[in-house]
Parts: sequence; C-alpha cells; structure tokens
Amino acid sequence: AQSVTQLDSQVPVFEEAPVELRCNYSSSVSVYLFWYVQYPNQGLQLLLKYLSGSTLVKGINGFEAEFNKSQTSFHLRKPSVHISDTAEYFCAVSYTGGGNKLTFGTGTQLKVEL
Amino acid sequence: NAGVTQTPKFRVLKTGQSMTLLCAQDMNHEYMYWYRQDPGMGLRLIHYSVGEGTTAKGEVPDGYNVSRLKKQNFLLGLESAAPSQTSVYFCASSNFEYEQYFGPGTRLTVT
Repeated sequence: AQSVTQLDSQVPVFEEAPVELRCNYSSSVSVYLFWYVQYPNQGLQLLLKYLSGSTLVKGINGFEAEFNKSQTSFHLRKPSVHISDTAEYFCAVSYTGGGNKLTFGTGTQLKVEL
Repeated sequence: NAGVTQTPKFRVLKTGQSMTLLCAQDMNHEYMYWYRQDPGMGLRLIHYSVGEGTTAKGEVPDGYNVSRLKKQNFLLGLESAAPSQTSVYFCASSNFEYEQYFGPGTRLTVT
C-alpha cells in the first residue's frame, strides 16, 4: 500500500525568504508524484507533477520539486516566497496501473509573513 | 469550458436525512473521483469511476453510494446522513494516468 508523509503541518516563513516543504512516500512500485495547492475556501490546483524523465520538475508560481528515488522524497521548494503563496500544500502519489487513484499527505499550511 | 463543477456548494442536513451531490465535467475525462477533506487528514478517496457505468470503492466508502450513468456526471449519495459525514467533499476528474482536476467543493454539515 502507498502512503505519503508530510512531516510539517505548518511552516511559517517571512516574505522573500526561501522555503522547502517536505514530502516522503512509500511504495513498492513505480509512482507518479504531484503537488497541489489549496487557497482558502477553494478546490485544489496542480502546482507540478513528476511522471518520468528529469528529476527536477518546475511548476507554476516559481515552485519546483525534486524527485529522489533513493530517499523516496519529493520536496517542494521556492527560492523567494510572496504573501500570495500563503495556502495549504498537498503532496500526492499514484502508481502506474492503479486507476490513477491519488493518495494524499495530510497537508502543510504555508504562512508567509511580512 | 467550465472544468469540474459541483452542486450544491453548501448544505445542512439533519441526522438521518438523505441527499445527492452532483459532479459534472466537460473535459471528456474517463475517470472521476469523490474525496472528503477533514482537518488534519488531507483528502481521502470515497469512491471512483474508471468509465461510464463503472464504480469502485475507495479508502472510506461506508455510508456513501455513487452512480455514473453518464460519462460527464458522477453522483455521490448519502442515504442516512450522520454527523461523522460533516466534511468538505471534492469531486475530481482525469484521463488515465495524468493529473486530476478538482471542483470547488461542497461543504456539508450534518446536525
């Protein structure tokens, strides 16, 4: 069975500082990895995805993530955050041939402060 | 192109009442999903469908039923609502092994 762990439930950071949101997964088969963002009272929006190929994935709004198979991690990074990045971020995994079912982490609340 | 829409946006039920949530997508996607979101628990899959006329159980299916009579619609039913079903419900759709597109959510309160 797959599982996703987001160790940090909340991450406070000052505007223009860098940030890293951590995600680790467990799976015995090949996986696809995703980061979604949820702004208050809204649905989820895809930030970026890893399906195959380059392990460094660039997404929208200046975010990027690196797939590390040996460490089973897919950490999300941004070099300089903005107030508008305040939101909840979810890491998710699906596996090939699995009906595209997503298993989500419990989420990380990113709070950007002035 | 509206993407994924959900009806209604808000609903309050009394224990024991029934209701149906409607999800519609206009992207011709084969796969559709229903999730519930609870604080500190992320999103959990209730039921899903891999095509018109098919449904399958997800992680937390008890107390819910679904139907996919048309490719573009996926209905989630609660036959006898319980306070434990107070949650925010999200519908999503996708094509094969690509990203899922989410609706805006339905906030359900069961008193």
